[in-house]
Amino acid sequence: DIVMTQSPDSLAVSLGERATIHCKSSQGVVSSNNKNYLAWYQQKPGQPPKLLIYWASTRASGVPDRFEGSGSGADFTLTISSLQSDDVAIYYCQQYYETPRTFGGGTRLELE
Amino acid sequence: QVQLVQSGAEVKKPGASVNISCKASGYTFGSYVIHWVRQAPGQRPEWLAYINAGNGYTRYSRKFQGRVTSARDTSATTVYMDLSGLISEDTAVYYCTREALGAYDLWGQGTMVTVSS
Repeated sequence: DIVMTQSPDSLAVSLGERATIHCKSSQGVVSSNNKNYLAWYQQKPGQPPKLLIYWASTRASGVPDRFEGSGSGADFTLTISSLQSDDVAIYYCQQYYETPRTFGGGTRLELE
Repeated sequence: QVQLVQSGAEVKKPGASVNISCKASGYTFGSYVIHWVRQAPGQRPEWLAYINAGNGYTRYSRKFQGRVTSARDTSATTVYMDLSGLISEDTAVYYCTREALGAYDLWGQGTMVTVSS
């Protein structure tokens, strides 16, 4: 199974500042057509995860453009360019390159 | 509107089975694959199974092979998941979620399953 490792486990950022979350897969999740099978989700307490980014860098419908996904191969990053209070949540990366689909351990994002 | 609505919370004894339903509405049911993902308290989500709502093809996690099954009722636009041989470690929120372009773009509200003697 592909193991997804996120860092840091938790992060405190001030309003309006940048937040950066990293995700590394135990093997590459990029296909021969150069698509990275990597998604990012946001989860708030008592709610299911919400899709933010797919194909490593494509924002899902309705996701603000302050959320940016980048990276390729086995190393990926989610950047929130200007933190808003509504962004306080746990963020997960997930690979869908192969089954079983696996998630990272999550990064808890808090306000400083 | 486009949504997945799951059945309500369950409390089960060890060794029992649980059946969770997931009713889809607002989109073409047979055009998507539905996955089952669970999340124990404070843990990362964990994939259990998927079912192609169009042709009924299923695939299960090796970890849960033999304990998990999924089925669908196209006339009711509903997907079901059965998990048998419950143990305390199966206590979790169980989600159905729709796959679109590989990622999960639509989620049910979750079903809390508590396994306790």
